[in-house]
Amino acid sequence: DTGVSQNPRHKITKRGQNVTFRCDPISEHNRLYWYRQTLGQGPEFLTYFQNEAQLEKSRLLSDRFSAERPKGSFSTLEIQRTEQGDSAMYLCASSYLRGPPPYEQYFGPGTRLTVT
Amino acid sequence: ILNVEQSPQSLHVQEGDSTNFTCSFPSSNFYALHWYRWETAKSPEALFVMTLNGDEKKKGRISATLNTKEGYSYLYIKGSQPEDSATYLCACQETSGSRLTFGEGTQLTVNP
Repeated sequence: DTGVSQNPRHKITKRGQNVTFRCDPISEHNRLYWYRQTLGQGPEFLTYFQNEAQLEKSRLLSDRFSAERPKGSFSTLEIQRTEQGDSAMYLCASSYLRGPPPYEQYFGPGTRLTVT
Repeated sequence: ILNVEQSPQSLHVQEGDSTNFTCSFPSSNFYALHWYRWETAKSPEALFVMTLNGDEKKKGRISATLNTKEGYSYLYIKGSQPEDSATYLCACQETSGSRLTFGEGTQLTVNP
C-alpha cells in the first residue's frame, strides 16, 4: 500500500492552455474524490466517483472542468482554457466503503497548478 | 451547504505547551466529523473521524472530542513539539462516504 499518488506535483501553464492531472488511489478503494484548495482556504469539494461512476459534481465546477475514472482505478481531472483563477492545489482522496462505517478519506500530496 | 468554522486561524506556542483548537459546524444533517493534519509539501493525514455525540478519540498526545448537539469539536495537543507544527483541518460529512466540507484550518507553529 503506497498511498494515494498524484502527478504531476507541480504544473505551470499559460492562461488558455489545457491541463490534465492524474490520481492513483489506494488499491481497491472504490471511492475517489477531487478537492481544490486555494491560499488561506480549506479544501473545497469538486467531484467524486464510486468505481467508474461520477456520483456528484460541485455546482462550483465550471464546464471547463471534466473528470473521469474510466476503469474504476485511476482518475484524471482536465481543465480546459485555464484561467488565472484556476491556480490552486488540486487534491485527490480515496476511500474504501466496505465494512462498518465511518470511512476515512486518504489524501494524496496534491498537484499545485499555477496559471500565468 | 454546510458552514464549517475553525478557530483560531493561527497559533504560535512554545515547545511543551498544551493547546487546543475549535471546529464548529451546523448540528443538523450531521453524519461525521473528520480531523486532518497537513504539513507543508505532504499529504493531509487523517487523525480522527467521529460520529457520535460525546465521542472522544486519542492518538498519542493528540485527542479530540465531539458535541453534535451544540455543533462543535475540540482538538487537543498535550505537550506540543516542533514536529506538531502543521495546519489542522476539520471537515464535516452529511452522509456516509459523501463529500467533506472543510473549515479554513488552524495553522499551528511550535517554537523550540
